[in-house]
Amino acid sequence: KNQVEQSPQSLIILEGKNCTLQCNYTVSPFSNLRWYKQDTGRGPVSLTIMTFSENTKSNGRYTATLDADTKQSSLHITASQLSDSASYICVVSPLNTNAGKSTFGDGTTLTVKP
Amino acid sequence: KAGVTQTPRYLIKTRGQQVTLSCSPISGHRSVSWYQQTPGQGLQFLFEYFSETQRNKGNFPGRFSGRQFSNSRSEMNVSTLELGDSALYLCASSLHPRGQDRFNYEQYFGPGTRLTVT
Repeated sequence: KNQVEQSPQSLIILEGKNCTLQCNYTVSPFSNLRWYKQDTGRGPVSLTIMTFSENTKSNGRYTATLDADTKQSSLHITASQLSDSASYICVVSPLNTNAGKSTFGDGTTLTVKP
Repeated sequence: KAGVTQTPRYLIKTRGQQVTLSCSPISGHRSVSWYQQTPGQGLQFLFEYFSETQRNKGNFPGRFSGRQFSNSRSEMNVSTLELGDSALYLCASSLHPRGQDRFNYEQYFGPGTRLTVT
């Protein structure tokens, strides 16, 4: 069964600090991995999409890395801001499929404190 | 360009009732997917529509159904509501591009409809 596990489940950091969120998956063969940010009460917003051939992708202060060999991805947030407080969801899609076959992680809840 | 819109944003229903949720995708997007999000189960796929046809369906009972209209707008219906159906229902749209990017397309989510069943 395809699985996506995210860690930690929750994280509290001080404003201005960096942090790294982890995503381990068993989906194989693998098409792409997405990171989403979801603010409370809102829909998820895409941060990055990486195919199996990509190692890293950045979006402003967000940098995602991917190791397809070990089936691990991380999302690094630099110089955190209060607005980074949200749930971060990792989604992995098998090869040659569409939205319906994607597996969602349970998310990491990040709280940034002043 | 306007984003994905969902109506209503909040809804309170009683067990046994039925409910219809609406989703308007981004203009030009032809693919619409629906998801259920609960604290215990996270995001779970309900179904996906493209050109008025259901392409994929998740593991939900037949009480959950949907449809897509010729203008790509979509509705989902839940009949005989149960307490466990209380959740945030999210709709996402995408362009459904052709070619090698077909499976790496961007999905845009709406704000969701918060359904509470009492």
